[in-house]
Amino acid sequence: GQSLEQPSEVTAVEGAIVQINCTYQTSGFYGLSWYQQHDGGAPTFLSYNGLDGLEETGRFSSFLSRSDSYGYLLLQELQMKDSASYFCAVRDPGSSGSARQLTFGSGTQLTVLP
Amino acid sequence: GAGVSQSPSNKVTEKGKDVELRCDPISGHTALYWYRQSLGQGLEFLIYFQGNSAPDKSGLPSDRFSAERTGGSVSTLTIQRTQQEDSAVYLCASSLDRGSSYEQYFGPGTRLTVT
Repeated sequence: GQSLEQPSEVTAVEGAIVQINCTYQTSGFYGLSWYQQHDGGAPTFLSYNGLDGLEETGRFSSFLSRSDSYGYLLLQELQMKDSASYFCAVRDPGSSGSARQLTFGSGTQLTVLP
Repeated sequence: GAGVSQSPSNKVTEKGKDVELRCDPISGHTALYWYRQSLGQGLEFLIYFQGNSAPDKSGLPSDRFSAERTGGSVSTLTIQRTQQEDSAVYLCASSLDRGSSYEQYFGPGTRLTVT
């Protein structure tokens, strides 16, 4: 089966940098995605790592180490609007062995304080 | 362009009734996914459709749950004989194809409340 672990809550102040870690155990692995979800809203895609290393998209960066089964999302220059839940999701083969669907973590609630 | 749409946005039903939830994916997206999310929890995978292939139903929690996708576009998730534990937000997502499953576009969800 698949399991992902990420912290349940993180708090930081505006302008700071925060890192949200994700460790995973999966029977198959094709990559790690990150999604943001504001209260009452739909998840929106942030970033994807299919290979080891760092991917940068504006203020957000994501890192993957496949040998350590570990990744993180780095948010820089935090803004109040970044307060949301952040989910890591493993792209895995699924029961058919080829479906490549996503298995989501339980999410990290980020609170940005003024 | 239009995103993923779902209807209804809210559904309140009595225990034991059947419900149908609808999802209209982004035009041209061949992959479609259903998830459910309980309050404060992550997304639980339910079912996945890819083109005309047989769906991956491995996430359906019981045989009361079923889904179909007509014409490779609109999908309907049906829950028969609803139970209180079925109360959750049901989210639909689509991606361009199976290879793009890492980037899914989600609809606003249907909030189901079983009383």
